[in-house]
Amino acid sequence: ETGVTQTPRHLVMGMTNKKSLKCEQHLGHNAMYWYKQSAKKPLELMFVYSLEERVENNSVPSRFSPECPNSSHLFLHLHTLQPEDSALYLCASSQGLTDTQYFGPGTRLTVL
Amino acid sequence: AQSVSQHNHHVILSEAASLELGCNYSYGGTVNLFWYVQYPGQHLQLLLKYFSGDPLVKGIKGFEAEFIKSKFSFNLRKPSVQWSDTAEYFCAVTPRGAGSYQLTFGKGTKLSVIP
Repeated sequence: ETGVTQTPRHLVMGMTNKKSLKCEQHLGHNAMYWYKQSAKKPLELMFVYSLEERVENNSVPSRFSPECPNSSHLFLHLHTLQPEDSALYLCASSQGLTDTQYFGPGTRLTVL
Repeated sequence: AQSVSQHNHHVILSEAASLELGCNYSYGGTVNLFWYVQYPGQHLQLLLKYFSGDPLVKGIKGFEAEFIKSKFSFNLRKPSVQWSDTAEYFCAVTPRGAGSYQLTFGKGTKLSVIP
């Protein structure tokens, strides 16, 4: 059973829609992450938050906008996405930036 | 920047066969190493990790991995696989120190165990 939950588990959206992905960790961690897992490509780190401050933005297009209101919650706001943004989006958390990361089940996103 | 190479895309074994999955990394400094597993329909789970100390690391479900620094390798092994080991296995590395949250993954190896 995972200590990191993500909603929704599946999302289909058009290119003009605005949607948000939600992640919640129940592990008492203080760092949270967004990853993208595309077919036939390694997981790619997108954003990193530590103590609710963003510490990394790996050249991610501005159509992806993260938000970390507190150490337990992380959002990924999506707008005007492209079909190539279809992927599995994974959230992870850790106790400090140097500790092991624990992953949620992911949101399978399809952009039409 | 670091990179990870997993040599096998898909491995098919019969139950009770021995398993070794290759992982090599590229990075100029010291690293932390991980193996994660993703069972069908489930989330990514930590199998084992190496931070320092004994280079032979034991993980859950009978898996182990050996860090060979001279070869930049961290191969995963299990002496006798079971059908329930069918999953996708990911090797990952972070630099130790600055940027240690930069978890870089390999492309994964899919393991199919035939009963």
